[in-house]
Amino acid sequence: DTGVSQDPRHKITKRGQNVTFRCDPISEHNRLYWYRQTLGQGPEFLTYFQNEAQLEKSRLLSDRFSAERPKGSFSTLEIQRTEQGDSAMYLCASGSAGTDTQYFGPGTRLTVL
Amino acid sequence: AQSVTQPDIHITVSEGASLELRCNYSYGATPYLFWYVQSPGQGLQLLLKYFSGDTLVQGIKGFEAEFKRSQSSSNLRKPSVHWSDAAEYFCAVGEAGQNFVFGPGTRLSVLP
Repeated sequence: DTGVSQDPRHKITKRGQNVTFRCDPISEHNRLYWYRQTLGQGPEFLTYFQNEAQLEKSRLLSDRFSAERPKGSFSTLEIQRTEQGDSAMYLCASGSAGTDTQYFGPGTRLTVL
Repeated sequence: AQSVTQPDIHITVSEGASLELRCNYSYGATPYLFWYVQSPGQGLQLLLKYFSGDTLVQGIKGFEAEFKRSQSSSNLRKPSVHWSDAAEYFCAVGEAGQNFVFGPGTRLSVLP
């Protein structure tokens, strides 16, 4: 049983650089979610996909953020022109439409210097 | 507005002592309720979930939770805490297939 995987686990970048994270969901899951978690807080919803369609985006997802799921399998989250405020843990979760549970990956910790 | 609160930011218990964590929520529809645990630097692991039926639910790692829909609340319990239970505990609510709303978490420290 392979769970949700995320790559990289850690990313350190300088302010103004672009970064891209990858999430591989559980293979039979058609829904994929991105959350952001800052230190001492619970995860906050960013966006989710059903298959390749991006169905909802949070107001937290500024124009510098873009997410894709081109073939309905893995997903990428790109942050352009990173800012120090983007430093956080980015969590990916997968599930099936109509079911109740989301399974989380280990997260990618981003540090913007 | 949807919101989840966890009144206790940080709780310290001695190993072998009992544990109770609290969660309150505000949600328009009737949501699923979840408790997740997060060890330092790790993702979230599901402890248990509830939608309907028996309001006392058994989860993994010896945890159980009582859900009180009439009070929009849930308590997570464990009769005897182990040092490995030290972690962050999150309550979350959501509808099937929709995004979850998480509480701010309760950090559990365990004294030897």
